Amino acid sequence: NAGVMQNPRHLVRRRGQEARLRCSPMKGHSHVYWYRQLPEEGLKFMVYLQKENIIDESGMPKERFSAEFPKEGPSILRIQQVVRGDSAAYFCASSPTASGRLRNNEQFFGPGTRLTVL
Amino acid sequence: GDSVTQMEGPVTLSEEAFLTINCTYTATGYPSLFWYVQYPGEGLQLLLKATKADDKGSNKGFEATYRKETTSFHLEKGSVQVSDSAVYFCAGGSEKLVFGKGTKLTVNP
Repeated sequence: NAGVMQNPRHLVRRRGQEARLRCSPMKGHSHVYWYRQLPEEGLKFMVYLQKENIIDESGMPKERFSAEFPKEGPSILRIQQVVRGDSAAYFCASSPTASGRLRNNEQFFGPGTRLTVL
Repeated sequence: GDSVTQMEGPVTLSEEAFLTINCTYTATGYPSLFWYVQYPGEGLQLLLKATKADDKGSNKGFEATYRKETTSFHLEKGSVQVSDSAVYFCAGGSEKLVFGKGTKLTVNP
């Protein structure tokens, strides 16, 4: 059973360009979470999605950032008009059921996408 | 909201030394608690977890006990190896997973 897949692993963009990060959850998982890790920081929750629904986007910046998890295909985290401060590692995690009550619902993490904005 | 505070590093130990990385939490509900490990260039892997007070999670020689009275979930290992060198994250939450800032551990031969 393949783990959580993220691509690209490394992404370089110039200021003002768009960045698209993709995440394919583990087979059978319908819940996806995106996190951002800044240098020397822990992981910060960004958004929680189920298929075709955004459940919790309380960690998403209000502008330029959006996320989707379509019925078919991977989840996409999209950053428009990137700035240098967007440089970070972005991690995706998936779980088989809702982690609203985390008791046994482990989140499985992908290897991350490291975004560098020049 | 929920929060997790863990000991900041870096921590450098010699092989076979004893390891403790402190982690405390604040939560309004009854959080589950986790330790994740991140090896260089990789994503996070679950190391161990505990879902209720007094539970002890253990894996690969690492242990952590969910202490409700001290709101702590300290990670311990009796004898570390060079291969344990990594960044360790404490995490927990009732609704959303909240992470500590991570502690970088380096084990020297």
